[in-house]
Amino acid sequence: GDSVTQMEGPVTLSEEAFLTINCTYTATGYPSLFWYVQYPGEGLQLLLKATKADDKGSNKGFEATYRKETTSFHLEKGSVQVSDSAVYFCALSVGETSGSRLTFGEGTQLTVNP
Amino acid sequence: GAVVSQHPSRVICKSGTSVKIECRSLDFQATTMFWYRQFPKQSLMLMATSNEGSKATYEQGVEKDKFLINHASLTLSTLTVTSAHPEDSSFYICSARAAGGAQNQPQHFGDGTRLSIL
Repeated sequence: GDSVTQMEGPVTLSEEAFLTINCTYTATGYPSLFWYVQYPGEGLQLLLKATKADDKGSNKGFEATYRKETTSFHLEKGSVQVSDSAVYFCALSVGETSGSRLTFGEGTQLTVNP
Repeated sequence: GAVVSQHPSRVICKSGTSVKIECRSLDFQATTMFWYRQFPKQSLMLMATSNEGSKATYEQGVEKDKFLINHASLTLSTLTVTSAHPEDSSFYICSARAAGGAQNQPQHFGDGTRLSIL
């Protein structure tokens, strides 16, 4: 079956540090890949996505590149801010219909200290 | 665009009460909505997939009679937790996927409902 594995958290960084959150996947088909962010007490917000190999998703300074050869979609940001503190979920979706389900990773808690 | 509204955001009620949670897509039509449950510091667990005008598809281990799902229109799905007990306390999140459009459009999530059963 499909699965997503994220690096274990929590991750604690100082402001302006470099961030990497690793994500690898296994999929029965050709997946689309997503990163979602969840702030405390809220639902999930789509951060970025990539739908085919070598695509790079980017948003708000975050980036992730779809690497088919290593089945990875690592999230990076060059300089984190306190406001980036949240839980980050890597996810995949396989299928061509609008009913495709998401498979989530375990989530990684990020805390950025001033 | 692509806003999903979930209501209520928080519910506290007595054991044995039935609780209804609404999920609305405000600016798009969603043929498919999803209901998730999230335990503290854990990932989202898909409970069921809701398709407009048809019966919901439940994941293994999720009680259909306990968690009633209705998707009466292209913009509204409801989850009713019947005869809720303390073990049903959790954070429930819905999401919606826009009808048609490009392959593998992302799901858009509501802000969740914190359900506490006393």
